[in-house]
Amino acid sequence: EADIYQTPRYLVIGTGKKITLECSQTMGHDKMYWYQQDPGMELHLIHYSYGVNSTEKGDLSSESTVSRIRTEHFPLTLESARPSHTSQYLCASTQSDVATNEKLFFGSGTQLSVL
Amino acid sequence: KQEVTQIPAALSVPEGENLVLNCSFTDSAIYNLQWFRQDPGKGLTSLLLIQSSQREQTSGRLNASLDKSSGRSTLYIAASQPGDSATYLCAVRDNQGGKLIFGQGTELSVKP
Repeated sequence: EADIYQTPRYLVIGTGKKITLECSQTMGHDKMYWYQQDPGMELHLIHYSYGVNSTEKGDLSSESTVSRIRTEHFPLTLESARPSHTSQYLCASTQSDVATNEKLFFGSGTQLSVL
Repeated sequence: KQEVTQIPAALSVPEGENLVLNCSFTDSAIYNLQWFRQDPGKGLTSLLLIQSSQREQTSGRLNASLDKSSGRSTLYIAASQPGDSATYLCAVRDNQGGKLIFGQGTELSVKP
């Protein structure tokens, strides 16, 4: 099984602050994803990366940015947090590999509350 | 645009019952379909993955089927237990960009 870690687990922060949500995986997966999920709603893809120095925006418009300088690390940054950013953020990864069928593994998520 | 729908949105059953969760998708050009479990406030755990060329996958008390031509998948849970209570999500991966499109989930409650 892949190991994928997200920190912090919970974050309460004031409006206007800059925050970075961390996501790291230890299995050398090339593909990584960020999803946003509001309570009782479906997951929406906000960013993804298919390798180092490769990042793309997802289906849901987001004011966040991401970077992929190292294979194992895919942090998400909000330059100026707003209450509308309050949500759960889930990081996921997978390996481009026919043998594994690109099974997706998720971190435990970061619950962000912006006051 | 691919859309994934799960019915019912919520389901409550007594312990021991067999149950079926449904997932439908609008575009049959999928790479695979994956079923996940999500416990409240937590991330997702992968349960079963079915390749587009497969008809079903089994793991313990879980059996997932795929009918690509009709755009449907079912997750069958045998002899349900209170520990099965969670939200179950299905997601399809498209053939193009490899992105995963999620349904809204079915919230399952198994009563002792």
